[in-house]
Amino acid sequence: NAGVTQTPKFQVLKTGQSMTLQCAQDMNHEYMSWYRQDPGMGLRLIHYSVGAGITDQGEVPNGYNVSRSTTEDFPLRLLSAAPSQTSVYFCASSRDRRGNEKLFFGSGTQLSVL
Amino acid sequence: SQQGEEDPQALSIQEGENATMNCSYKTSINNLQWYRQNSGRGLVHLILIRSNEREKHSGRLRVTLDTSKKSSSLLITASRAADTASYFCAGAQKLVFGQGTRLTINP
Repeated sequence: NAGVTQTPKFQVLKTGQSMTLQCAQDMNHEYMSWYRQDPGMGLRLIHYSVGAGITDQGEVPNGYNVSRSTTEDFPLRLLSAAPSQTSVYFCASSRDRRGNEKLFFGSGTQLSVL
Repeated sequence: SQQGEEDPQALSIQEGENATMNCSYKTSINNLQWYRQNSGRGLVHLILIRSNEREKHSGRLRVTLDTSKKSSSLLITASRAADTASYFCAGAQKLVFGQGTRLTINP
């Protein structure tokens, strides 16, 4: 099993551009989530999903969209990138939709918005 | 929010010493989890303690949970250089994390 796979690993955008960060897991996990981590900070939850077709907002959802059309994939879309979205983005998944099991993390996407 | 708040923010000890870090949370939880992050990589799960447990061990890790005080502690015994990392706690649901404790083990 590959676990949680994120692409790309690095991305540079100009202000106003849009892009999609990809996340895929091959563990048949129901729960998937996106976090952002700013330098020296903890992780802040952007969006999460408890199953295909179901998504919900986390702590910092503004400026981001998500969809969950399959169990495996949970892409994160930046609609109009802003410098404040410069961060490292982590995708995570868990077997249990209620958060009662451990999270498996991807290796992260480092995004810079100029 | 069920955000975990870790304390201290930074901890520096000598190799072989024990390291203790604490976590406080705001609302009721079903379980509390501890994770480790090495230098900007993804978080790795260390241990999960359920709300009906008071203490749990895994190798050199010992976790306690006090639901009346809404707090947890992580003890790493006989620390090694490889334990240098940031440590985070998170409570279910939504698994919201705090800012973490940056642990440095000096040789």
